[in-house]
Amino acid sequence: EPEVTQTPSHQVTQMGQEVILRCVPISNHLYFYWYRQILGQKVEFLVSFYNNEISEKSEIFDDQFSVERPDGSNFTLKIRSTKLEDSAMYFCASSAVSANEKLFFGSGTQLSVL
Amino acid sequence: QKEVEQNSGPLSVPEGAIASLNCTYSDRGSQSFFWYRQYSGKSPELIMFIYSNGDKEDGRFTAQLNKASQYVSLLIRDSQPSDSATYLCAVNRPNAGKSTFGDGTTLTVKP
Repeated sequence: EPEVTQTPSHQVTQMGQEVILRCVPISNHLYFYWYRQILGQKVEFLVSFYNNEISEKSEIFDDQFSVERPDGSNFTLKIRSTKLEDSAMYFCASSAVSANEKLFFGSGTQLSVL
Repeated sequence: QKEVEQNSGPLSVPEGAIASLNCTYSDRGSQSFFWYRQYSGKSPELIMFIYSNGDKEDGRFTAQLNKASQYVSLLIRDSQPSDSATYLCAVNRPNAGKSTFGDGTTLTVKP
């Protein structure tokens, strides 16, 4: 069964450093997303991406965050200058043909900012 | 008011019982409704989705939607210990490029 893959599974970084989280969405899906989940809290929307541009973003997704689809398969989330409060599990997800469909989630990247 | 609100847990039921999970949403224009299951330390996985008023059944799971009351529920029949997880309600507004999740309800099924 097709799946969303994320790398790395764990990332430890120092405050102020840049991190790039990588995702390979399901190949024929058109919508891509990043969500995050701080330990013990709810799953929070960060950004959605369609047709090579941001479709919607949340208040969390400020100037420190960016997304890119550098080629036909990868989808990346960059945090330019990490803060302690960026520590969370980051989930990539994709949906097939519309943003109203079910999400297929990757296994997540646990980001720890020290 | 939260966009998506779930009944506070944790919820504990004995094995074989029916577990009932509830969710209300604030935007009357919402059109798509999803239940995801999340095991501790894992990513959410879809259990059910429902778009129309009424009931939708899939095996031991039944999703119920009442748009007039802005209410969606998930019933799990013959609950098993393997059903122990956090259940997330997610709602999509029309033309919104995202799903909004509730806080989740943690279910424990005791053998």
